[in-house]
Amino acid sequence: EAQVTQNPRYLITVTGKKLTVTCSQNMNHEYMSWYRQDPGLGLRQIYYSMNVEVTDKGDVPEGYKVSRKEKRNFPLILESPSPNQTSLYFCASSLYARTAYYEQYFGPGTRLTVT
Amino acid sequence: KQEVTQIPAALSVPEGENLVLNCSFTDSAIYNLQWFRQDPGKGLTSLLLIQSSQREQTSGRLNASLDKSSGRSTLYIAASQPGDSATYLCAVRPLLETNAGKSTFGDGTTLTVKP
Repeated sequence: EAQVTQNPRYLITVTGKKLTVTCSQNMNHEYMSWYRQDPGLGLRQIYYSMNVEVTDKGDVPEGYKVSRKEKRNFPLILESPSPNQTSLYFCASSLYARTAYYEQYFGPGTRLTVT
Repeated sequence: KQEVTQIPAALSVPEGENLVLNCSFTDSAIYNLQWFRQDPGKGLTSLLLIQSSQREQTSGRLNASLDKSSGRSTLYIAASQPGDSATYLCAVRPLLETNAGKSTFGDGTTLTVKP
C-alpha cells in the first residue's frame, strides 16, 4: 500500500531533550515536506526537500533540523525542544520533476507535547 | 508572500443539500491548487488537484474549479451526506521557477452535515 508513515504517533517529552520524528514514504517520491498544525494558525511549512541532499526552509524553520540522506526518509529533529513546539506535525510527499510537481500525500501525524 | 483564505470558517447544512466551499489566494502565480479533507485528529486526505492550466476537476460528488486570474477556487459538494462532515483545506503551490517547494495552506472550512 502506498503510504507515508510517521513515528512516533504520540510523544510527550521535556524541555531540552533532543528528539527525532521519523517520516518514510514508499512511493519513490522526490519531494518531502514537514508541516506543523496549530489551532488558529493552520498548517505551516517547516522544511522541505526537493530530493536527496537538497533541503530548504519553509515558513517556520526555527528550532528544527532536517536531513535527507535517502530518498524514502526525511526525519525531523528537534535539538532542544521547547513548549512552543507543542503541536501536531505532518510529513508529506509528492512526485517532483524539474517541470512539474504533483499532489501531496500526507502521513497520519505526530502529536508532540513538550512540558 | 502568498496568503490563502477560506471563508466561511464553519458551515452547517442539512443532509442532501448542495454546497460550495471557497478558497482565495493573493498571488495568482501558482502552479497548482489542491483540496484536502481532514477528519478530527487525523491526517489530510487528498480530494482533488487542479493544475493552473485547468479550469476544473471532478471526482464523484465533488467538483473543484479554479479561476487563477481572480485568485479563487471553489469546491462544490453535491447531495451532501453526514459522512462529508470534516474540515476542508485548500493549498497552493507556486510556479516552479519561484520558491519551488513552498506550499501555503488555508485555515480550512469545518463542514457539519446534519442527518
